[in-house]
Amino acid sequence: NAGVMQNPRHLVRRRGQEARLRCSPMKGHSHVYWYRQLPEEGLKFMVYLQKENIIDESGMPKERFSAEFPKEGPSILRIQQVVRGDSAAYFCASSPQGQGAIQPQHFGDGTRLSIL
Amino acid sequence: GESVGLHLPTLSVQEGDNSIINCAYSNSASDYFIWYKQESGKGPQFIIDIRSNMDKRQGQRVTVLLNKTVKHLSLQIAATQPGDSAVYFCAENNRDSGTYKYIFGTGTRLKVLA
Repeated sequence: NAGVMQNPRHLVRRRGQEARLRCSPMKGHSHVYWYRQLPEEGLKFMVYLQKENIIDESGMPKERFSAEFPKEGPSILRIQQVVRGDSAAYFCASSPQGQGAIQPQHFGDGTRLSIL
Repeated sequence: GESVGLHLPTLSVQEGDNSIINCAYSNSASDYFIWYKQESGKGPQFIIDIRSNMDKRQGQRVTVLLNKTVKHLSLQIAATQPGDSAVYFCAENNRDSGTYKYIFGTGTRLKVLA
C-alpha cells in the first residue's frame, strides 16, 4: 500500500533557475496539500488542490510559485527564478475525497530544496 | 525537563517514563486536532486525532487531551521508548472555514534517555 510519494528527495538549484517538485498522492486520494517547512519550525500551509482545481492557495507567495494537479499524473509545485530564501523542505499530503477535515492528511517524506 | 530557546523546545524523559507534550492552539473555531511525529529526514507521521466534541481519546500507548476552554491540547505517551524520540507537532483545522488546511504548532523535540 504505497504512501504519498514525493520526488526528488533532494533538489539543488542555482539562483534564477526553476524548481519542479512532484507529488503522487496515496491510492484513492484526490485531495493534495503542499506545505513548506524551515529548519526547527512547523509546517506552513501553501496550497490545497483537487484534480484540475486549486481550492485554496492562501499560503502561496503571489509571485514565482504555482501548483497544479492534473487529471492524470502527479501534482506539481513549481518555483520559478528561485532565490536563497526558497531553501526549505516541501511536503505534500493527501486525503480521500471530501474527507480532508475529518480524516488525517497523510504526508510524504518531502523534497529538500537547496538554492546555491 | 523542558527548555525553550532559539531552537525547538525539548523534553527529555527517561526510558519507561510517561511523556506529556503540550500544545496551545490559536483558533477557538478549530474543531479537529491532530498529533504528528516527525523523525529526522522524514515527513510527519500521523499519531492520533480528536474532534472538538470530545475531550479525551486514547490510542495504543498514546492519549490526547483537549481543553477547549483554554485552547490547549496535550499528547501523553506511556512507557516512553527510544523509538519515540522525534519532533512532535500538533495541528488544528476549522472545517467551517471551507478549507482543509492544517495550522501546525511550532513543535516539541522529545529525547528519550536510556
